[in-house]
Amino acid sequence: GENVEQHPSTLSVQEGDSAVIKCTYSDSASNYFPWYKQELGKRPQLIIDIRSNVGEKKDQRIAVTLNKTAKHFSLHITETQPEDSAVYFCAASGPLTGSARQLTFGSGTQLTVLP
Amino acid sequence: DVKVTQSSRYLVKRTGEKVFLECVQDMDHENMFWYRQDPGLGLRLIYFSYDVKMKEKGDIPEGYSVSREKKERFSLILESASTNQTSMYLCASSRWTSGSNREQYFGPGTRLTVT
Repeated sequence: GENVEQHPSTLSVQEGDSAVIKCTYSDSASNYFPWYKQELGKRPQLIIDIRSNVGEKKDQRIAVTLNKTAKHFSLHITETQPEDSAVYFCAASGPLTGSARQLTFGSGTQLTVLP
Repeated sequence: DVKVTQSSRYLVKRTGEKVFLECVQDMDHENMFWYRQDPGLGLRLIYFSYDVKMKEKGDIPEGYSVSREKKERFSLILESASTNQTSMYLCASSRWTSGSNREQYFGPGTRLTVT
C-alpha cells in the first residue's frame, strides 16, 4: 500500500518568515494530495489540495508544489503568523476506483511561529 | 455546514471491556472512516466504509471491528479493550465523487483511556 513520509516533525520560524514542509509518497498511482491543519485541541481541517495533473497551487499565503517524477510534494507558507501555529498533515490518495477512497497520512509537522 | 459528531469526547474503560465509539454525519456522505491519532504517528486508518453494511480494513484493523447499519452512522467497536488501544480516535466522512471535492470532514475526536 501507500507510504507517506513527512519532514520535519517540528519546525519553528519567526513571525513573517516562510515555512516549508515536505512529503514523499511511494505509490506512483496516487493522484490526490491534500494538506490538513490541526490546531491544538481541534479537529483536522483541509487547507489546500493538489491533483497530479497540476504542478503548483496557491491560495493566498499557502502554496503546494508537486513533483510526480520524484514522488514528493511540499507545503509552503509565506509571511507566517502566530495563528499558523498548528500540526500539519500531508496525505496521498489513489484513484477513485474500488476501495481506493482512503487517504494515507504523513506523521505530521508541529509548526510553531514565534512572535 | 458539514457536521460530524462523536458520541464522547473522553472515555475511560477497563482492560477487557467492550467499547463502542459512535460517529454520526449529517451531510449524506457515502464514505466514513475511523482513524487513531498517536503522537509522532499521524493519523492511521483503522476501518472505512463506502456504503451501508460495507466495510474495508485500513492499515491497523487488528483488535477493532465496525458497523454501519445506517448511512449516517458508523460505529467502531473494541471487542476487548487493551491498554495499547489508549489513543485519540477520529471519525471522518466524505462524499464519493469522481470530481474535485474529496475533502474528508473530521469529528472532534474521542480520547479513550484504557486502564
